[in-house]
Amino acid sequence: AQSVAQPEDQVNVAEGNPLTVKCTYSVSGNPYLFWYVQYPNRGLQFLLKYITGDNLVKGSYGFEAEFNKSQTSFHLKKPSALVSDSALYFCAVRDMGGTDKLIFGTGTRLQVFP
Amino acid sequence: KAGVTQTPRYLIKTRGQQVTLSCSPISGHRSVSWYQQTPGQGLQFLFEYFSETQRNKGNFPGRFSGRQFSNSRSEMNVSTLELGDSALYLCASNTGDSGGPDTQYFGPGTRLTVL
Repeated sequence: AQSVAQPEDQVNVAEGNPLTVKCTYSVSGNPYLFWYVQYPNRGLQFLLKYITGDNLVKGSYGFEAEFNKSQTSFHLKKPSALVSDSALYFCAVRDMGGTDKLIFGTGTRLQVFP
Repeated sequence: KAGVTQTPRYLIKTRGQQVTLSCSPISGHRSVSWYQQTPGQGLQFLFEYFSETQRNKGNFPGRFSGRQFSNSRSEMNVSTLELGDSALYLCASNTGDSGGPDTQYFGPGTRLTVL
């Protein structure tokens, strides 16, 4: 069965420093991987996705993610964090059963301090 | 294009009642999925509809049901509400290329509180 793990409940980083939010996956076959962000009392906003090809994926708001097949990881990164990046981040994998179902990780709360 | 819209945004119900939530997908999107988000269980898949047919269903009791109309709008219904049904219910839409890398776009959610 497909699964996604986000090992950190919370990540704290100072504004201006680089940030990394970790995600590992377990799937059979080639995965479709996604990152979403959720601000308080809002739905999920799409950041980026990996389908195939270049292992470094660039997305919205300066975020990028690196797909690593050997480590089965898809970590979200940003070179310089902003206080406004503080939110809940979810990693997800597309279920391989021929539907659109997404399987989500438990989420990581990112706190950026001024 | 307008995004995914969900109505109502907030609902307060009492145990035993039933509730209907509505979702209008992005124009041109034919697939609608529903998720339940709670602090304890996180984001859990409820069901998925494509062209008025349920294509996939999560592990929820039969009290949870849904449907999709010919214009791709979708509703979900929860009958005999329980306290544990209190959650944020999220709807997402995409074009419906099943199992492909198509992105799901989410609505703002409906916050259901069961008293």
